[in-house]
Amino acid sequence: GNSVTQMEGPVTLSEEAFLTINCTYTATGYPSLFWYVQYPGEGLQLLLKATKADDKGSNKGFEATYRKETTSFHLEKGSVQVSDSAVYFCALTPYGGSQGNLIFGKGTKLSVKP
Amino acid sequence: SQTIHQWPATLVQPVGSPLSLECTVEGTSNPNLYWYRQAAGRGLQLLFYSVGIGQISSEVPQNLSASRPQDRQFILSSKKLLLSDSGFYLCAWTRGVAGVLRSYNEQFFGPGTRLTVL
Repeated sequence: GNSVTQMEGPVTLSEEAFLTINCTYTATGYPSLFWYVQYPGEGLQLLLKATKADDKGSNKGFEATYRKETTSFHLEKGSVQVSDSAVYFCALTPYGGSQGNLIFGKGTKLSVKP
Repeated sequence: SQTIHQWPATLVQPVGSPLSLECTVEGTSNPNLYWYRQAAGRGLQLLFYSVGIGQISSEVPQNLSASRPQDRQFILSSKKLLLSDSGFYLCAWTRGVAGVLRSYNEQFFGPGTRLTVL
């Protein structure tokens, strides 16, 4: 079946540190891959996405590259800020649209200290 | 522009009481609509999705039900709440062609409802 595995949190970093949140997936065919962010007390917002192999999604200084050979979509940011503190969810939708729903990882909580 | 509303924002209910959570979308037509539950330590779980009025698909067996009485209204209900129903409930929508579930469109989430069952 389809599934997403992301690193366990919480992750605590100092401001300006480098961030990596690992995400790997299991899926048949060619899924689309997403990172969503949830700020405290709010719903989820799309952070970035990639729809085919080798695509790189980027937004707000965050990047993730769709690696089919390693079935991974790791999230990175070169210099985190306190305002990046949130829960980050990796997700996929299976190719073809017949299922149509997002399959989420369990989320990784990031805390950035000044 | 499109907006999505959920209410109430928070709810505390006793075990065995009924539940009705409402989600409405503005500024779009024929959206695909979704209900998710986020339980502590368990990530996000899709509960129901709908591609049109009166069309509901359930992803997991449970104590809850969903209805879509209007194109942009999605309701989550229960006749008798259980302790295990506690969690953060999120509604979401994607652009859709009526009757078709699009898997690659961005999902837009509402602000959520925090339900505590005592």
